[in-house]
Amino acid sequence: DIQMTQSPSSLSASVGDRVTITCRASQDISNFLNWYQQKPGKAPKLLIYGASNLETGVPSRFSGSGSGTDFAFTISSLQPEDIGTYFCQQHDDRLIFTFGPGTKVDIK
Amino acid sequence: QVQLVESGGGVVQPGRSLRLSCAASGFIFGGYAMHWVRQAPGKGLEWEAVISDVGSMKYYAESVKGRFTISRDNSRNTLYLQMNSLTVEDTAVYYCARDRKVGTSEVIDLWGQGTMVTVTS
Repeated sequence: DIQMTQSPSSLSASVGDRVTITCRASQDISNFLNWYQQKPGKAPKLLIYGASNLETGVPSRFSGSGSGTDFAFTISSLQPEDIGTYFCQQHDDRLIFTFGPGTKVDIK
Repeated sequence: QVQLVESGGGVVQPGRSLRLSCAASGFIFGGYAMHWVRQAPGKGLEWEAVISDVGSMKYYAESVKGRFTISRDNSRNTLYLQMNSLTVEDTAVYYCARDRKVGTSEVIDLWGQGTMVTVTS
């Protein structure tokens, strides 16, 4: 089974800062990597799919990159409403999903 | 509107069973694969099971294989999760979720509000 790791597990940054989260897969997953945001008490929300494609309606300050085993998610200018936990997720051709452990983001 | 609404959660003793339901509305339910994803209190997301659009293919996480069964009734626009032999480790919010294929990617683009399952003696 493919394992997903994320770093850091949490971060605190100031409004306007550039924030980057990394996600690593235990084996090559091509670009089958998605990113979700979850706010406290709410269901997750899709932000990025296919490693680098912005979901419709998602602000352009969010971006993703990478392929193979190493991926990155960036918020170019952190806003107060971006507080939450961010999860990466990979899938295989059977639609079996694996989520990363999450990165909690808050405002300094 | 387009939505998923879970029900059936509650408090149950270890070793007992529970069946969750997820009512879909606002879209062609039978055109989508569907997932169950859970989240233990204060923890991350854990994928549990997927069922294909017509129900012919089902896959499970190792942690629930042999105990949980995913099923669907497209005539009733409803997804189910039968959970047997529950343990305290199954305590979580259970989300019903819709799969969407975008190019070569598979994503979850619609989530229910979640239903809480608490396993305790």
